[in-house]
Amino acid sequence: EAQVTQNPRYLITVTGKKLTVTCSQNMNHEYMSWYRQDPGLGLRQIYYSMNVEVTDKGDVPEGYKVSRKEKRNFPLILESPSPNQTSLYFCASSQGLANNEQFFGPGTRLTVL
Amino acid sequence: DAKTTQPPSMDCAEGRAANLPCNHSTISGNEYVYWYRQIHSQGPQYIIHGLKNNETNEMASLIITEDRKSSTLILPHATLRDTAVYYCIDAAGGTSYGKLTFGQGTILTVHP
Repeated sequence: EAQVTQNPRYLITVTGKKLTVTCSQNMNHEYMSWYRQDPGLGLRQIYYSMNVEVTDKGDVPEGYKVSRKEKRNFPLILESPSPNQTSLYFCASSQGLANNEQFFGPGTRLTVL
Repeated sequence: DAKTTQPPSMDCAEGRAANLPCNHSTISGNEYVYWYRQIHSQGPQYIIHGLKNNETNEMASLIITEDRKSSTLILPHATLRDTAVYYCIDAAGGTSYGKLTFGQGTILTVHP
């Protein structure tokens, strides 16, 4: 089954404790991205990647890192999480950049205390 | 900021057609009209997209006006499972690198 998976689905952590949210897709997609969703602000793009070893900032990249060492994986790294990073996070992938549907993962609900 | 305008909420009776409007006042020539929906807090789900012509797939139909300033998503026979937030998005490839800018969307509630 074609899908985007994220782990963990739920995470409660404390300020400053490094964490990684994994994202994996099994569709051989080139393009992957991370969004966060907050009440009243909608979904906002954090980072995106057009292919292996090619990443770039989205609209709200501060406090996040990403890497794309393999085509299928695109982890989101919070080196020193803060409470304002409490959010619902979604990973997405698509075959190309234009005129393609994006497949979203199920989401990761992160709480930073 | 989102470039599209949608009504905040709509209601529809089960079995009837749901017609969701969207205004694309600043859409440019290379931008497609995309529709996604999000059920509860699940990941957004692609529904349909188009450039100029009307489109239909197994989920919905998309009507785009000739000037491309507005579109309508049609769910021909709405069910309770179609209750969701529906987003219309103008998106281009190339320089926008496939970024989807989500607005607040329309909350569609399908009633029995």
